[in-house]
Parts: sequence; C-alpha cells; structure tokens
Amino acid sequence: GDSVTQMEGPVTLSEEAFLTINCTYTATGYPSLFWYVQYPGEGLQLLLKATKADDKGSNKGFEATYRKETTSFHLEKGSVQVSDSAVYFCALSVNRGSTLGRLYFGRGTQLTVWP
Amino acid sequence: DAGVTQSPTHLIKTRGQQVTLRCSPKSGHDTVSWYQQALGQGPQFIFQYYEEEERQRGNFPDRFSGHQFPNYSSELNVNALLLGDSALYLCASSPEGKATDTQYFGPGTRLTVL
Repeated sequence: GDSVTQMEGPVTLSEEAFLTINCTYTATGYPSLFWYVQYPGEGLQLLLKATKADDKGSNKGFEATYRKETTSFHLEKGSVQVSDSAVYFCALSVNRGSTLGRLYFGRGTQLTVWP
Repeated sequence: DAGVTQSPTHLIKTRGQQVTLRCSPKSGHDTVSWYQQALGQGPQFIFQYYEEEERQRGNFPDRFSGHQFPNYSSELNVNALLLGDSALYLCASSPEGKATDTQYFGPGTRLTVL
C-alpha cells in the first residue's frame, strides 16, 4: 500500500546548522509529495510540494527534490533558525480514484534549534 | 479571507459519550477531509466529503461518522467514545479537482476522553 517512512527524531541543531530530514515512500502509481510543518499548538501548514519526478519544491529556505529512482523526498535547509523549531511531516497523495486527495503521512520529526 | 476553521478548540468527554466536531472550509473549497492525529504520530485519514456525501473512507470503525452541509461545512461525529479516541482531530479542505495538489488544514480540535 501507499506509505511514507520518515527519519525519526528528535533532531537538535544549533542555529545556522545544516538540516536534513530523510523521507522515503512507497506508492502505486505516481504520487505527489509534500512536506508539512506543525508549530506548537497549531494545525498543519504546507511547507513545500513536488508533483512529478525530479521536481524541486522550495519555500522559506527549505528544499526537497522528488527522486523517483530512490523513492525519496528528503527535506534540507542550509542554515536553520530558532523559529524553524517545529514538527515536520512528510506526506504523499496518489491521484487515483479510490484515494483521491487522501494524504498519507509519516510519523513526524521534531526539530529543535538552539540559539 | 478566513482559512479553515474548527470548533471547539478543546473538548473533554468521558468514555461512552458521543461528540460532534465542526469544520468550516476555506472560501471556495468544496471538499472536506478529516484526520486523526494521536500524540506523537502523523495524521491518519478518517474520511472525505464532497457534494454532501462520503466519497472515501480510511480504516476507522463505524463509530466515526460525518456529514457535509450545503454550504460545504462539515461535522465529525464519534459515538461510544474510547480512551484511544483521545487525539487532535484535523479538518482539511481543498477545491474540487485540486485535492491531490494542496489541502489546507485547520488548527484542529483537541479531544480528551477520560
């Protein structure tokens, strides 16, 4: 079935450090891939997305590239800030009639950035 | 433009009771999905509503039911509450034809079952 496996946390970094959060997926068909972020006490916000192989999604300094050959969508940021502290979720959606619009999420990775 | 709104923010119930959660989608959106997020876990899909009908459903028992109104707002009902139903319940909306593109999430309702 369709699923996402996400790097377990928590991840603790100093400000300006490089961030990588690994995400791999299993899907029948051609999924769209997403990274969502959840700040404390809030709902989910879409951070970035990619809808086909080799697409790169980017937003707020975060990037992720859709790699079909490795079924991966790793999240990266070159220099994290304290304000990036949150839980990050990798997710996929498959454009198939029976599951149209259903998002499959990973377990989430807690990121804490210290000044 | 208001985003997705949910009510109430928090709710405390006891085992066996019934609960109703409410969601208003983002303006211009007609498809509503509900997710359950247990503590420390990723959200799990419950069901999706479009044109006032349940279009698809995840692996949740019949105790979980829903409704969509003509103005596209939606309710999630849970009967015979169990301790394991304690979670953050998230509503997401999307415009028809864009469900696999982008979904907008509300802030959630935190349900605690004692």
